[in-house]
Amino acid sequence: EAGVTQFPSHSVIEKGQTVTLRCDPISGHDNLYWYRRVMGKEIKFLLHFVKESKQDESGMPNNRFLAERTGGTYSTLKVQPAELEDSGVYFCASSQGAAGANVLTFGAGSRLTVL
Amino acid sequence: GQQLNQSPQSMFIQEGEDVSMNCTSSSIFNTWLWYKQDPGEGPVLLIALYKAGELTSNGRLTAQFGITRKDSFLNISASIPSDVGIYFCAGLPLGAGSYQLTFGKGTKLSVIP
Repeated sequence: EAGVTQFPSHSVIEKGQTVTLRCDPISGHDNLYWYRRVMGKEIKFLLHFVKESKQDESGMPNNRFLAERTGGTYSTLKVQPAELEDSGVYFCASSQGAAGANVLTFGAGSRLTVL
Repeated sequence: GQQLNQSPQSMFIQEGEDVSMNCTSSSIFNTWLWYKQDPGEGPVLLIALYKAGELTSNGRLTAQFGITRKDSFLNISASIPSDVGIYFCAGLPLGAGSYQLTFGKGTKLSVIP
């Protein structure tokens, strides 16, 4: 079974540019989550999808971040325009059914560097 | 928001030594989880704890859910080189959605052969 895959693994952009991160969850997992780890800090929750619906986006930093999950399959996280403080590793995770966050499977992460 | 204080921040140990790390919070948690992140990979769940006082082992790893529900520890016995990585505690705070994990800042473990 393929795990959670994320693309790109690393992106380097300049301040003001746009970046789109993609996550393909495990097939059949309705729940999809985005988390972020800024260097040296804790991993923080960004948002949670159930199928194509945003269940909770309370962790999104500001309106420069837009997450979508059209069709309830893969998800994208767009940062526009990117700022220096957006640098970090963006993790996607998925879980099946109502199992909840305690059985998340994480992807390898997308490292974003904003110069 | 909820915060987890994880310590130590980093550790350098000799192969074969035992390791202990812990997480504390000022708030009650319903669930405690311990993850390991290898370089270039995402966090992988090691142990999940669901009840106060619960002690659970996974091979050389042992973790406990504190009686007060405000702390947890992870022990690794007889460390080996492949134990190298970043260990994160995480939890579900009381009253939080079942999906919104709170993480500690991680403990970076280095094992000297």
